[in-house]
Amino acid sequence: DQQVKQNSPSLSVQEGRISILNCDYTNSMFDYFLWYKKYPAEGPTFLISISSIKDKNEDGRFTVFLNKSAKHLSLHIVPSQPGDSAVYFCAASGRNDMRFGAGTRLTVKP
Amino acid sequence: SQTIHQWPATLVQPVGSPLSLECTVEGTSNPNLYWYRQAAGRGLQLLFYSVGIGQISSEVPQNLSASRPQDRQFILSSKKLLLSDSGFYLCAWSVHSKHEQFFGPGTRLTVL
Repeated sequence: DQQVKQNSPSLSVQEGRISILNCDYTNSMFDYFLWYKKYPAEGPTFLISISSIKDKNEDGRFTVFLNKSAKHLSLHIVPSQPGDSAVYFCAASGRNDMRFGAGTRLTVKP
Repeated sequence: SQTIHQWPATLVQPVGSPLSLECTVEGTSNPNLYWYRQAAGRGLQLLFYSVGIGQISSEVPQNLSASRPQDRQFILSSKKLLLSDSGFYLCAWSVHSKHEQFFGPGTRLTVL
């Protein structure tokens, strides 16, 4: 079952512009949402998270927005840098488990 | 600081052979532990999680099993590998009261 969906498998952005990665979920019991960044042949690294009691969380160039009524969250990266090129996974957490989306491959062109 | 280790980094095994992947965590006590698999072109699939020694929950039926013989050791096993077991296996840990999970470097398993 795909409780967390990232419908865009890839995204290409010019350096300096904004990258927007989207994620949708179906289970209303999820109460915490996270974004992970993954380079090839490495484990994912935690990037930023948001609790369901908030609608926005910002950390430097990264901002996550949560729309609970639409069951949608997004990650904004601005300005985008070539080093941001990686696969980004959205995750939704309930009790003792976490569900991941299929990932979006972001390519930031110099 | 906490660190998580996985080995081996890569593994090539014939169909029907056994499997044992090991994961250990340092710098924390009584962590939640997880095994995930990332198949080619797909997201992360949760296989097993453990909230304590000897406590294993399975998410999907399969020919894999997990064990937690010590507080900070998590082992993924199989008696007979299938071709479909090929993938990138990731171990992760978290603190009981927090959602964030921290991943190991992963093991690339190829079953031929």
